[in-house]
Amino acid sequence: GEDVEQSLFLSVREGDSSVINCTYTDSSSTYLYWYKQEPGAGLQLLTYIFSNMDMKQDQRLTVLLNKKDKHLSLRIADTQTGDSAIYFCAESGMNSGYSTLTFGKGTMLLVSP
Amino acid sequence: DAGVIQSPRHEVTEMGQEVTLRCKPISGHDYLFWYRQTMMRGLELLIYFNNNVPIDDSGMPEDRFSAKMPNASFSTLKIQPSEPRDSAVYFCASSSTGTAYEQYFGPGTRLTVT
Repeated sequence: GEDVEQSLFLSVREGDSSVINCTYTDSSSTYLYWYKQEPGAGLQLLTYIFSNMDMKQDQRLTVLLNKKDKHLSLRIADTQTGDSAIYFCAESGMNSGYSTLTFGKGTMLLVSP
Repeated sequence: DAGVIQSPRHEVTEMGQEVTLRCKPISGHDYLFWYRQTMMRGLELLIYFNNNVPIDDSGMPEDRFSAKMPNASFSTLKIQPSEPRDSAVYFCASSSTGTAYEQYFGPGTRLTVT
């Protein structure tokens, strides 16, 4: 079945760039997503990229997709303490005729002042 | 829109008791998903509905778990009888039929079974 892998933890200093990496196995993935979860809250969709794109930029967020290597990354420029959270990579695959999401286990980002 | 609404936010119960978790999806969304999140297993899809009909319940752990969606604006996830290993955060999410399949999550219900 599908599998999504992420590193578990990343620590950066405020103002630096953060890069969170993800690999997936399903070559038929149509969309790939990044979700953010703050403590005690649900998952919030940050951004997504269609599988035929290489890059998507949205303010401080840059998503890079290497479809050949099945590698997805999220770069956060000028990381702030408010960016501290768990970041989930997810991919959409077909299940019973509808595209369900398969999530990685999440990367905890800790931003220190 | 208020987003996906879940209740209660926290539930503490004793082993053997029945637990009912509730969800109100975003108005107009025709898909509803129930997930369970634990440290060990991450985020697991339990079941999802389309137009109030259960489509795939292969993620439901066992017969103690059941889910219903009596109408487009309400769903329940019931555990009977509950066990300590059911302790987790349960999320409800909804989405509309579209091209990007993005899902919108509720704040979750933290369930503790003692």
